[in-house]
Amino acid sequence: DIQMTQSPSTLSASVGDRVTITCRASQSISTWLAWYQHKPGEAPKLLISRASSLESGVPLRFSGSGSGTEFTLTISSLQPDDFATYFCQHSGRLYTFGQGTTLEL
Amino acid sequence: EVQLVESGGGLVQPGGSLRLSCAASGFTFSSHEMTWVRQAPGKGLECVSYITTTGNSMYYADSVKGRFTISRDNAKNSLYLQMNSLRAEDTAVYYCVRIDGYSFKYWGQGTLVTVSS
Repeated sequence: DIQMTQSPSTLSASVGDRVTITCRASQSISTWLAWYQHKPGEAPKLLISRASSLESGVPLRFSGSGSGTEFTLTISSLQPDDFATYFCQHSGRLYTFGQGTTLEL
Repeated sequence: EVQLVESGGGLVQPGGSLRLSCAASGFTFSSHEMTWVRQAPGKGLECVSYITTTGNSMYYADSVKGRFTISRDNAKNSLYLQMNSLRAEDTAVYYCVRIDGYSFKYWGQGTLVTVSS
């Protein structure tokens, strides 16, 4: 099975910061990677599919890149609403998630 | 508007059973693969099972294989998860999710399953 590893597990940042979250796959997954934002008490929200395709309605400060085994999610200028947990996911047949990165103030 | 509404969660004793349901609306249910995703307290997300459009093929995570059964009724626009031999580690919020191009764009609000004596 393909394992997904995110880093860091927790990230402390401030409003206006540029932050980057990394996701590594245990083997090449081409660009079959998605990113989700999850806030307590809410359903997760799809931000990016196919590694870099921004979902409709997602602010342009979010971007994704990478292919093969290494991927990144970047938020160019943190806003108060962005403090949440972020998960990567291998969007292949087994849909494996990373363990999550909590973005905190 | 796409809507996915889960029901059937609750408190159950270890070894017990529960059946989760998901009522879908706002889209052609029979055209989409569906999945159940769970999040245990303090843990990450886990795709426990998914099912193809016709219901002819299913996948199960190793953690639930042999205990959980996913099914769907396209005539009723409904997805189900029969959970047997429940364990404490099955305690989680269970989400009904529509699969779009191998990504999970539409999620229900979740239903809480608590396995405890």
